[in-house]
Amino acid sequence: DTGVSQNPRHKITKRGQNVTFRCDPISEHNRLYWYRQTLGQGPEFLTYFQNEAQLEKSRLLSDRFSAERPKGSFSTLEIQRTEQGDSAMYLCASSFGRVNNSPLHFGNGTRLTVT
Amino acid sequence: KQEVTQIPAALSVPEGENLVLNCSFTDSAIYNLQWFRQDPGKGLTSLLLIQSSQREQTSGRLNASLDKSSGRSTLYIAASQPGDSATYLCAPNRRNNNDMRFGAGTRLTVKP
Repeated sequence: DTGVSQNPRHKITKRGQNVTFRCDPISEHNRLYWYRQTLGQGPEFLTYFQNEAQLEKSRLLSDRFSAERPKGSFSTLEIQRTEQGDSAMYLCASSFGRVNNSPLHFGNGTRLTVT
Repeated sequence: KQEVTQIPAALSVPEGENLVLNCSFTDSAIYNLQWFRQDPGKGLTSLLLIQSSQREQTSGRLNASLDKSSGRSTLYIAASQPGDSATYLCAPNRRNNNDMRFGAGTRLTVKP
């Protein structure tokens, strides 16, 4: 168990560019979450996968955001036409089970800076 | 919509003190509540998860209580140490809802 892994750790991009982040959850975890966190705030839910199925999406997830988990293992989060307001820490978390009563395990996040 | 408030926003104590962090939430129909710790620039580390049927959970020097009907949870840290310095976040979780809501956290500093 190497924990939840996120890459890259940091990403600086110019406004209007596309970026993609990757999350590798703990290997036996079937549930995967994406959150966004800005300075001084708690994480905000973006989307949730159970295995390869994307079951929930927040209204925060605009049309410029897309997430995939094609084989039920790793996940990617893509932001198209980035805006300065997208600057934040993007956190991935995973857990195991059929219901949401097991602890979430978080990665160390990808910090995005849009200039 | 679940609103989560954590008080105080920041706390500074000398090493060795016992302390209490507070979390309140507006929707008491929760399935469980989780307490996390976050170090600067890092992700969240799960500390304790309390099921809605439980009143408290303990792990080492940490004790978390839950009063679901009043929408409150507390995290008690005994004999604080400088290594406990971090931001502590609570997150109540509604049944069959994967949208876990977080408070803004309490930033704790334990001075040697």
